[in-house]
Amino acid sequence: DTGVSQDPRHKITKRGQNVTFRCDPISEHNRLYWYRQTLGQGPEFLTYFQNEAQLEKSRLLSDRFSAERPKGSFSTLEIQRTEQGDSAMYLCASSLNSYNTEAFFGQGTRLTVV
Amino acid sequence: AQKITQTQPGMFVQEKEAVTLDCTYDTSDPSYGLFWYKQPSSGEMIFLIYQGSYDQQNATEGRYSLNFQKARKSANLVISASQLGDSAMYFCAMRELGGGYQKVTFGTGTKLQVIP
Repeated sequence: DTGVSQDPRHKITKRGQNVTFRCDPISEHNRLYWYRQTLGQGPEFLTYFQNEAQLEKSRLLSDRFSAERPKGSFSTLEIQRTEQGDSAMYLCASSLNSYNTEAFFGQGTRLTVV
Repeated sequence: AQKITQTQPGMFVQEKEAVTLDCTYDTSDPSYGLFWYKQPSSGEMIFLIYQGSYDQQNATEGRYSLNFQKARKSANLVISASQLGDSAMYFCAMRELGGGYQKVTFGTGTKLQVIP
């Protein structure tokens, strides 16, 4: 296992279309996070899973956003009816279930809504 | 209120010199962790160093050290002997442990450029 993997790396979509991103965490990590990063900003928290349970959602996560982690392994983030403001880098991270461990990030999915 | 504040949008440092990147934080939780990440132009976030709120000593990892001043709520990153490969964005982040969910909150970052 070489780390957190995200797919696709880049996605260009037309406004109004739905998109889905996938994240495969490090295999023994039971925590999984989704972040969004826009140009010149730090990552903004979107949502967090512990195993298959989605424990927290940011208010940034509108009704058009949904995330799942059905078997506690990989996760998907879906954006419905995309808007130009959704254009950003979507980062996934995973960590062990311990307060003092760092989160390991994937390389992100860059979404461009045209 | 901002949880993590990084007041230096950009910094320059001469190769082989040391540089300090500032970070202040705001929390009422007595239990928290502080992290620094590096983000090169390729985009991946690379973990550098961690400091726990109850740790008595400042964290060090190779050329990286964290100057933790709890009373001032600051957690500055010191990079010694800068290298050209250190040019990147640097993010300070905090995990508050009392809330139960322990999400990590990031600052806006500092862009470091190492000059040959």
